[in-house]
Amino acid sequence: DGGITQSPKYLFRKEGQNVTLSCEQNLNHDAMYWYRQDPGQGLRLIYYSQIVNDFQKGDIAEGYSVSREKKESFPLTVTSAQKNPTAFYLCASSIVGGSMGANVLTFGAGSRLTVL
Amino acid sequence: SQQGEEDPQALSIQEGENATMNCSYKTSINNLQWYRQNSGRGLVHLILIRSNEREKHSGRLRVTLDTSKKSSSLLITASRAADTASYFCATGNQAGTALIFGKGTTLSVSS
Repeated sequence: DGGITQSPKYLFRKEGQNVTLSCEQNLNHDAMYWYRQDPGQGLRLIYYSQIVNDFQKGDIAEGYSVSREKKESFPLTVTSAQKNPTAFYLCASSIVGGSMGANVLTFGAGSRLTVL
Repeated sequence: SQQGEEDPQALSIQEGENATMNCSYKTSINNLQWYRQNSGRGLVHLILIRSNEREKHSGRLRVTLDTSKKSSSLLITASRAADTASYFCATGNQAGTALIFGKGTTLSVSS
């Protein structure tokens, strides 16, 4: 089955620690995205990548870092510089362009990060 | 950044009733999309409507788009308890390279 796998599903972190969230897709999609979701805030874009070895900042990139060494993988590191990292993190992927015009996203199941 | 805003924030209805939620956005768009999210899960794409379309149907879903008012509506007919979820509209960012989401409408359908 094609899809997006996020891991871990739940993660606990002590303050001051960096953590990396995994996102893997086997949909052969070129573009991948990371969103953060807080209660009542909707989804906010952290980083996205349209091609291997290239990525762009979204609206809330501060305190986060990403890499895109392989088409299938787009890990997100939540650094100690992120002041309020407790949230639900969603990874998504899409084709680039296509007949529908733009960016119909396929989402993973999410990773819930809690800072203790 | 460009963002859709859904209205109402929360909606409670009985099974069999219709549910209507609205989305307003700020700048011109190529298309507008609606997604659904069950509690604690990822989002699922429901429907995309292009800027030159006024209405689109998919099963029990009906989406309208009014570009002059910069607004869209999602109608779910004959709601079921399984429709209980949050619904989000999304539009492209300025570069057209990523989607920006609204805060969503939480729909609760009771049996």
